[in-house]
Amino acid sequence: DTAVSQTPKYLVTQMGNDKSIKCEQNLGHDTMYWYKQDSKKFLKIMFSYNNKELIINETVPNRFSPKSPDKAHLNLHINSLELGDSAVYFCASSQDRQRGGQETQYFGPGTRLLVL
Amino acid sequence: AQSVAQPEDQVNVAEGNPLTVKCTYSVSGNPYLFWYVQYPNRGLQFLLKYITGDNLVKGSYGFEAEFNKSQTSFHLKKPSALVSDSALYFCAVSSVTDKLIFGTGTRLQVFP
Repeated sequence: DTAVSQTPKYLVTQMGNDKSIKCEQNLGHDTMYWYKQDSKKFLKIMFSYNNKELIINETVPNRFSPKSPDKAHLNLHINSLELGDSAVYFCASSQDRQRGGQETQYFGPGTRLLVL
Repeated sequence: AQSVAQPEDQVNVAEGNPLTVKCTYSVSGNPYLFWYVQYPNRGLQFLLKYITGDNLVKGSYGFEAEFNKSQTSFHLKKPSALVSDSALYFCAVSSVTDKLIFGTGTRLQVFP
């Protein structure tokens, strides 16, 4: 059973398009995250949601909009895609945000986005 | 502000030899330290973490890491490397909040 899953695995699209990436976790965790890994493999947090509430919102263009329909799902919608958005996007989840930074975050397999 | 440094872009080691992947951190407050491994075209897999207690932490696949508060380090070690250990290794730190800050990664290459 996949604990954190993402769809699609690969996404190739043209500049200016709008696309969504979906994430689901079956671990019963309360908190979910989106990370971006650039071409140099540098990983940076974008957003975190706790029980459908936005908690962390790093300096991310407002073309990126996370949506959490329930605590098991966190989707990422990207408007007006740009070349610089090409990256691997990872979803993650952790159990209990009340324990702060102690909780282990579990990552999905990633979505490889290529903007042409 | 929190930060993590992985000073080596790549570490090369012969199979059967011990390996060390270095990590130093900077954080205000108590650090929570993590190691993750990323195989090609895969997600990050959790290896081990230090929260409190014993400075030597044991994790998956025979890896261990030693927390050294005075040197602000959390180096990843394994007594005997395997070719299958070849991957990209990330050190990460968090503190009071669950914001996880990653290092730039170290590519481990184990040669047969």
